[in-house]
Amino acid sequence: DAGITQSPRHKVTETGTPVTLRCHQTENHRYMYWYRQDPGHGLRLIHYSYGVKDTDKGEVSDGYSVSRSKTEDFLLTLESATSSQTSVYFCATSGQGYSNQPQHFGDGTRLSIL
Amino acid sequence: RKEVEQDPGPFNVPEGATVAFNCTYSNSASQSFFWYRQDCRKEPKLLMSVYSSGNEDGRFTAQLNRASQYISLLIRDSKLSDSATYLCVVNNQAGTALIFGKGTTLSVSS
Repeated sequence: DAGITQSPRHKVTETGTPVTLRCHQTENHRYMYWYRQDPGHGLRLIHYSYGVKDTDKGEVSDGYSVSRSKTEDFLLTLESATSSQTSVYFCATSGQGYSNQPQHFGDGTRLSIL
Repeated sequence: RKEVEQDPGPFNVPEGATVAFNCTYSNSASQSFFWYRQDCRKEPKLLMSVYSSGNEDGRFTAQLNRASQYISLLIRDSKLSDSATYLCVVNNQAGTALIFGKGTTLSVSS
């Protein structure tokens, strides 16, 4: 939907290793978001971007960093992965406005930290 | 009150039934409301926006009650393919993000 591609789709790694997830969009949307989804918690916002090199923290940003060097790419990095970061990660985009427009999601990345 | 609250269900209904979900929100200043649908192990997909006057899309009707701070989703003539989790979504107090409810699970059986 909305030309959003997440990579990798699945990843298993060990505690303490760095992990980078990539979100690529072809819609030229200004706003991009990273969420995690866990049982009992629903979708929670990690970080978001409102333009190239413009990012801000969401509800659960500790342990995560992001970068956006191009309109189409938004990277999420776990500097030193922990087991609590095992989750499903979704990227989303919207064309305008932080919250007055619906967001469209990528297929998700299933990340397991052992 | 939590920012967005939904009855988790599950709602188990037969084909052809009418089912309604409610969602309450805490921010009286919220201006944006949506319903998303999420199938098992898939991404959330926009089902419909919710407008102040209420709106309908085929078998789906969304209503907004600002005074009581709740939104509803009515599904008529349920189909097997309607089985999914329905997420209520409202913008946050600062107007900078969308807050997703934990979802209501619907199971339609034949």
